[in-house]
Amino acid sequence: AQSVTQLGSHVSVSEGALVLLRCNYSSSVPPYLFWYVQYPNQGLQLLLKYTSAATLVKGINGFEAEFKKSETSFHLTKPSAHMSDAAEYFCAVSGGNQGGKLIFGQGTELSVKP
Amino acid sequence: GAVVSQHPSWVICKSGTSVKIECRSLDFQATTMFWYRQFPKQSLMLMATSNEGSKATYEQGVEKDKFLINHASLTLSTLTVTSAHPEDSSFYICSARVGRSYEQYFGPGTRLTVT
Repeated sequence: AQSVTQLGSHVSVSEGALVLLRCNYSSSVPPYLFWYVQYPNQGLQLLLKYTSAATLVKGINGFEAEFKKSETSFHLTKPSAHMSDAAEYFCAVSGGNQGGKLIFGQGTELSVKP
Repeated sequence: GAVVSQHPSWVICKSGTSVKIECRSLDFQATTMFWYRQFPKQSLMLMATSNEGSKATYEQGVEKDKFLINHASLTLSTLTVTSAHPEDSSFYICSARVGRSYEQYFGPGTRLTVT
């Protein structure tokens, strides 16, 4: 079985500060990992994905994430937060014989203070 | 590329009526589409997996007779909420999978309010 845990349902940072959103996964097979962003009343937009290639993955809007198998983690970072980064962020895992299903974490709401 | 649309974006219906939500892949063919439900401030809950030309596979606890899913073509899946009740009010999101890729492309969601 696969699962995802996002540590911290709410993270608040100042504009220009480092953004760190934590994600730990559990998977009995090599995982595919994703980070999605959701703005209010909208669908999900893919930020980045890990598919067993490079462990450091760069995504859109300056975000990146590092796959660490030993720590079963896939934390999302951005060096400098912008006001426009305020949104809900979801980490998800897929893989194995799941028929392409995504298992989502609980989500982390990011607030950016001016 | 890889754009998924949903229609309508929001709908209000009266209790006891049925409402249909469409999910379309605009620029690719989707053999598999997924339907999710999201309550305020919560994560996405997978309701069912829809494969073109076959019956949908529902997640445990999801009433298949209440949430009818049809995937009649490679670009269209529909979710019909039958005999809607206020507790069915929610944000419904669909996604589409390209081939055997693990990546899903999400629609913008449909806000359903049942009065």
